[in-house]
Amino acid sequence: EDQVTQSPEALRLQEGESSSLNCSYTVSGLRGLFWYRQDPGKGPEFLFTLYSAGEEKEKERLKATLTKKESFLHITAPKPEDSATYLCALGYGGSQGNLIFGKGTKLSVKP
Amino acid sequence: DGGITQSPKYLFRKEGQNVTLSCEQNLNHDAMYWYRQDPGQGLRLIYYSQIVNDFQKGDIAEGYSVSREKKESFPLTVTSAQKNPTAFYLCATTDRVNQPQHFGDGTRLSIL
Repeated sequence: EDQVTQSPEALRLQEGESSSLNCSYTVSGLRGLFWYRQDPGKGPEFLFTLYSAGEEKEKERLKATLTKKESFLHITAPKPEDSATYLCALGYGGSQGNLIFGKGTKLSVKP
Repeated sequence: DGGITQSPKYLFRKEGQNVTLSCEQNLNHDAMYWYRQDPGQGLRLIYYSQIVNDFQKGDIAEGYSVSREKKESFPLTVTSAQKNPTAFYLCATTDRVNQPQHFGDGTRLSIL
């Protein structure tokens, strides 16, 4: 069965304390792995797309990486404004473009 | 200003009532999606449409209905058959398969 698991469920960091969020998956024929940021009461905001193992994308303090079984979202020297829920989603072969979403990691960054 | 507009932001349903959530986009995207988000759960697909006048059921379509008469619009009706409608509803669009989906800011539906 195709699955996406995100860990940890929640992460509390001090400002400047770097860490990583994990998205592990079991799908047939990965067609893209997508990272989103979601603020309370808002829709998810697209961050990155990764298509093949070894690929990396960066944006400000965020860096996303992909292997054959998991993806990491690395947060370097986070600031309080990075606090949000981070969602991982996968497209896979035969899905007609539909995505499977993980349950998210809620990140809190304290000043 | 390009984007996806969901309305209303908050909606309340009475027992036995059908309610309709609006989703409008001016991105000229072909595909549109409706998701339901509950606390502690991932987004779950309700319905999707890849072209005008065509739509398919997602994983949790029971108690919901949709129409796609125009490319720009994909309204979702939550019927009285949906016994647990309280949730955050999200509309998304994409222009191509395997490309990122882009989301509106959601409608929060509650029961009176």
